[in-house]
Amino acid sequence: DAEITQSPRHKITETGRQVTLACHQTWNHNNMFWYRQDLGHGLRLIHYSYGVQDTNKGEVSDGYSVSRSNTEDLPLTLESAASSQTSVYFCASSTLAGGSNTGELFFGEGSRLTVL
Amino acid sequence: AQSVTQLGSHVSVSEGALVLLRCNYSSSVPPYLFWYVQYPNQGLQLLLKYTTGATLVKGINGFEAEFKKSETSFHLTKPSAHMSDAAEYFCAVRPSTDSWGKLQFGAGTQVVVTP
Repeated sequence: DAEITQSPRHKITETGRQVTLACHQTWNHNNMFWYRQDLGHGLRLIHYSYGVQDTNKGEVSDGYSVSRSNTEDLPLTLESAASSQTSVYFCASSTLAGGSNTGELFFGEGSRLTVL
Repeated sequence: AQSVTQLGSHVSVSEGALVLLRCNYSSSVPPYLFWYVQYPNQGLQLLLKYTTGATLVKGINGFEAEFKKSETSFHLTKPSAHMSDAAEYFCAVRPSTDSWGKLQFGAGTQVVVTP
């Protein structure tokens, strides 16, 4: 079955370190998204990509970067981790919208990051 | 720009009672609307969605939602709560003119089901 997997599922790091969260999907979806989930805020969009070599900033992109070298993967990098980036991170993917395709998102199980 | 407001961050219901989760949205164009459910330590999964057509939408696990354009609402209901319905529920909106699938999520409602 097609799926979307995130790794690591849990990570503890120190302030100032670079961290990369991996996201791999086998749906062959063009669109991929990174969200962070924080209490009281729901999910907020960090970065997204509509295809290989395409990346775009979301509403909370400061301190994060992504790259898209193939269809399956969209790694999220925290350049210099800060305590404010302690959160649960979700990767999601979708097909292109249009016609009967409503572009619903398919989510990974999340990566819990703690920055000390 | 669109936004989503979920009324009530926590809802407690008795097993067998009606579940009602409220969602209001703002969107300058006709929206696509979604309800997602998140069980502990899991990702989000789609409960149901409204795109066009029938305004009463049925989803998985006995949930349904009604799109009311005049009230800009998309409330989620289930006639009889089950213990397994304990989870967090998110309402989300996307403008129908957005061809790329970015969703705007509400803050979520945590549902607790008591025996």
